[in-house]
This record gives sequence, C-alpha cells and structure tokens, in this order.
Amino acid sequence: NAGVTQTPKFQVLKTGQSMTLQCAQDMNHNSMYWYRQDPGMGLRLIYYSASEGTTDKGEVPNGYNVSRLNKREFSLRLESAAPSQTSVYFCASRPSGSSYNEQFFGPGTRLTVL
Amino acid sequence: DQQVKQNSPSLSVQEGRISILNCDYTNSMFDYFLWYKKYPAEGPTFLISISSIKDKNEDGRFTVFLNKSAKHLSLHIVPSQPGDSAVYFCAARADSSYKLIFGSGTRLLVRP
Repeated sequence: NAGVTQTPKFQVLKTGQSMTLQCAQDMNHNSMYWYRQDPGMGLRLIYYSASEGTTDKGEVPNGYNVSRLNKREFSLRLESAAPSQTSVYFCASRPSGSSYNEQFFGPGTRLTVL
Repeated sequence: DQQVKQNSPSLSVQEGRISILNCDYTNSMFDYFLWYKKYPAEGPTFLISISSIKDKNEDGRFTVFLNKSAKHLSLHIVPSQPGDSAVYFCAARADSSYKLIFGSGTRLLVRP
C-alpha cells in the first residue's frame, strides 16, 4: 500500500496561473481532506470530503476549489494563484466508522507563487 | 481566534530526560484529541490520542494527559531520544464530521 500520495512534490507558479494538486489514497477511506501549512500557523483545513460525491468548505476555502473524482482521488485547484497561497499543502484521508479519528497524511506539495 | 494553542514554539531536552509538550484549547465541545509528529519534508504521522472521557493514555514511551477543567493536554515522552526530534502538533476533533483543528506546533530538539 502506498497510503496517501500527492503530486507534484514541488511547484512554482506566477501570479494568476492555475494549477491542480492531485491526491490519491489506496486505503479505501471514505473521508479526504486538504490542509495548508504556514509557518507559525499549524495546519488549516481548506476543504474536505466526508464521502464520495460530497465536498464542504473548511477554515480557509477562499481561492480554492476541489473535486472528489472518485473514492480514491481528491484534487485541489487554484484557479488564479496569488502569493498568499504560497504554502505547503497536505492531503489526508480517514477510514469510515465512528471509532476512527486518526487522519493519514500524504508527503505534501510545496507551492511557491511569485 | 485559535481554538487550539501550543504556546511553546520550541523545546530542547537532553537525551534520556523527559520531554513535556503542552497544548491548550478553548472549545469545550471538543471530544477527542490527537498528537501528530512531523519530520521535515514529510507529512504528519499520528502518534497518540485520547478521548475526552479519559484523563490519560499511554503507548510505550508516550503518554498523553488531559485536564478537561483546565482545557489542557500534554504529551510526555520518557525517555527522550534524538530520533524524537521533530515538530509535534496537537489536534482536536471539531464535530461529527471528523474535522481536526490543529495547533501551531512545537519543535522538539533532543540533544545527544
């Protein structure tokens, strides 16, 4: 099992460019999440998908869109990148069932917007 | 408005000694708390958790204590090892959607 995978690992964009961050998990998890990590801020939730076919806003959704393509894949799109979106982005997934609170994280995508 | 706070950005401890990482929260509705460990250039990995109905949970060298009246939890690592050097995040489960609210992290350095 590869767990949670993210592509690309690194990306540099110019202001106004668009891009999609890809995330996939092979653990048959129902829920998936996108976070951003900024220095001194911890991880902040951007969007999440409780199950296939549903998506909801998190704490910092502005400037982002998501697609839950199928049970395995959850992508994050920046339509018009801004320097404030320079960050490290983490995707996570969680098994279904009320006893599972732990989320499993991918290795992250480091994005720089110039 | 930070609902989960880790007020110590960094901590340095001698190998073999105890490391104590602290976390405070403001929302009394949080019912589950987790600690994650993060190495540079990697994603966070789950370390240990505790339900709000308990006050202590232990797993090997790691123990988490929860003081609900003070809205405070702590992670104890005994004995500390150089491989424990990492950033530690505490997190709280926000509601039935299983969203997690993270603190800002504490960087632990264990000196040989």
